[in-house]
Amino acid sequence: ETGVTQTPRHLVMGMTNKKSLKCEQHLGHNAMYWYKQSAKKPLELMFVYNFKEQTENNSVPSRFSPECPNSSHLFLHLHTLQPEDSALYLCASSQGLAGAYEQYFGPGTRLTVT
Amino acid sequence: KNEVEQSPQNLTAQEGEFITINCSYSVGISALHWLQQHPGGGIVSLFMLSSGKKKHGRLIATINIQEKHSSLHITASHPRDSAVYICAVSPTGNQFYFGTGTSLTVIP
Repeated sequence: ETGVTQTPRHLVMGMTNKKSLKCEQHLGHNAMYWYKQSAKKPLELMFVYNFKEQTENNSVPSRFSPECPNSSHLFLHLHTLQPEDSALYLCASSQGLAGAYEQYFGPGTRLTVT
Repeated sequence: KNEVEQSPQNLTAQEGEFITINCSYSVGISALHWLQQHPGGGIVSLFMLSSGKKKHGRLIATINIQEKHSSLHITASHPRDSAVYICAVSPTGNQFYFGTGTSLTVIP
């Protein structure tokens, strides 16, 4: 596979469930990102990892927990979510920090919290 | 107030028309990005600009750093250009601010 892949593509979970989103990039990039896209709102940057180290956490609630075991894989662990967390969650990667580099996006995971 | 404002929010054009989408921002930036999002969610990076002008096929992007303004132009528009176009700015390498997007529909 090439590019940035995300699994699952769709996820429905209850507020008491625990689930994880997975992102994998096959581009040899060093930086990876999680974004949230809610209806009628701008994309929101959630987390940034550079060389496996978290460099940004944009005041994201602790019910979202990222994990970056290596430069190719990024996870978003979810627990006790709220209905307002329903959104499209996008992963992206770039060669370096994306101010100076083009970002490549995955297809997203459509999350519904019931 | 959003750091990035786009206009128009929605745009409908006839096939072949010249299209302009505008982006204004309020912060100092190291780069500005134009992104395209098709129905279904996939996002593609179109341009990354820090000055001047870039062209790729029928797409042209310009930026005026002093005026904090960028435009995306599409020449000879086609129905396959129908998508949401998003402007994003990066003040530092770790941060991104996004516009709400311009939804473009090109009618055959």
